[in-house]
Amino acid sequence: KQEVTQIPAALSVPEGENLVLNCSFTDSAIYNLQWFRQDPGKGLTSLLLIQSSQREQTSGRLNASLDKSSGRSTLYIAASQPGDSATYLCALFREDNFNKFYFGSGTKLNVKP
Amino acid sequence: NAGVTQTPKFRVLKTGQSMTLLCAQDMNHEYMYWYRQDPGMGLRLIHYSVGEGTTAKGEVPDGYNVSRLKKQNFLLGLESAAPSQTSVYFCASSTSSGRAGTYEQYFGPGTRLTVT
Repeated sequence: KQEVTQIPAALSVPEGENLVLNCSFTDSAIYNLQWFRQDPGKGLTSLLLIQSSQREQTSGRLNASLDKSSGRSTLYIAASQPGDSATYLCALFREDNFNKFYFGSGTKLNVKP
Repeated sequence: NAGVTQTPKFRVLKTGQSMTLLCAQDMNHEYMYWYRQDPGMGLRLIHYSVGEGTTAKGEVPDGYNVSRLKKQNFLLGLESAAPSQTSVYFCASSTSSGRAGTYEQYFGPGTRLTVT
């Protein structure tokens, strides 16, 4: 059974700090991995998607990496800003099941001004 | 291009009442999903559809029914609401084109449902 874990559950950092959010998964037979941001009371906004054949994707101050062999993905946020405060979730599709998206429980980030 | 929209945004029901949540997407996606999100439980899949006229059960389907009569719409029904169905409901759709598809998921803004 695929399990997706995000540690820590919550993180508080001062503005300007570079930070890394972690996502671990137990089965390396993944098709893709997607990072989302969720603001309180809002839906999920897609940030980055990494196909299983890719090692990383970048968008602005965000960089997501994928290491299937170690069962790990990281989301790197450069020069964090108070506006980055939100819950970040990772989710993945397995190679053999496109009907189920496995979600982590999220990391709640607070960037202090 | 509105993406994924959900109606209504908020609803309060009494136990035993019924309602339908509507999800619409304008991206011509084949796959659509209904999730519920509860504190401490994360996102759980209720039902999903891989194309017009087809639906299937997810992790927590009991007490819900769905229909996908048109490709762009996915309806979630509660026939007899219970307090345990108090939750935030999210609809999502994803791109798909066989093995070459990215299956990137796009989410709606959510419906906050309270059952008293």
